[in-house]
Amino acid sequence: DIQMTQSPSTLSASVGDRVTITCRASQTITRWLAWYQQKPGKAPKLLMSKASSLESGVPSRFSGSGSGTEFTLTISSLQPDDFATYYCQQYNSSPLTFGGGTKVQIK
Amino acid sequence: QVQLQESGPGLLKPSETLSLTCTVSNYSISSGYYWAWIRQPPGKGLEWIGTIYRSGNTYYNSSLKSRVSVSVDTSTNQFSLNLDSVTAADTAVYYCARQRVGFYDTFDVWGQGTMVTVSS
Repeated sequence: DIQMTQSPSTLSASVGDRVTITCRASQTITRWLAWYQQKPGKAPKLLMSKASSLESGVPSRFSGSGSGTEFTLTISSLQPDDFATYYCQQYNSSPLTFGGGTKVQIK
Repeated sequence: QVQLQESGPGLLKPSETLSLTCTVSNYSISSGYYWAWIRQPPGKGLEWIGTIYRSGNTYYNSSLKSRVSVSVDTSTNQFSLNLDSVTAADTAVYYCARQRVGFYDTFDVWGQGTMVTVSS
């Protein structure tokens, strides 16, 4: 199984900050990586696929990069609506696996 | 737009079978896409459980494979999850979701989730 490791697990930031979340895969997944945003009591929302392809309607302040085993999700200027937990997911091989999550909280 | 809704018992006793159904609206399952179950224990991360295609082809997480089955009923536009011999470790929010193109794909549409508690 491919293990997905996210860091940090919790991140404290202020509105307007640039935020970066890292996701590492235990083996190469080329660019088969997705990012999700989850708010309390809600289902995850797909933000990005293929490491850097933004879903329709997702603000451009979100961006993704990486390939192989190391990936990043960046929020260029944190907005109040962005305080949430973010998960990465690999879909290179079965079982499909998620990272442990990064909670972005208000500083 | 496509909508998914989970339904099923919210409380089970240990050793019972968890049975959930996902009803798909505004899209016919028989037209395509792959359909999945994912769970999230309280305060924890996401775990993919299994996926089914309209043909009935299934894919399961090996960690649960001996206890899980996913089925599809195109006549009712629903797919279902059965998980045998549940324990407290199976307590979680269970989500159904759509996989966009194939099995090796993202989950682009999700149900709201249903909480299942296993307790004696």
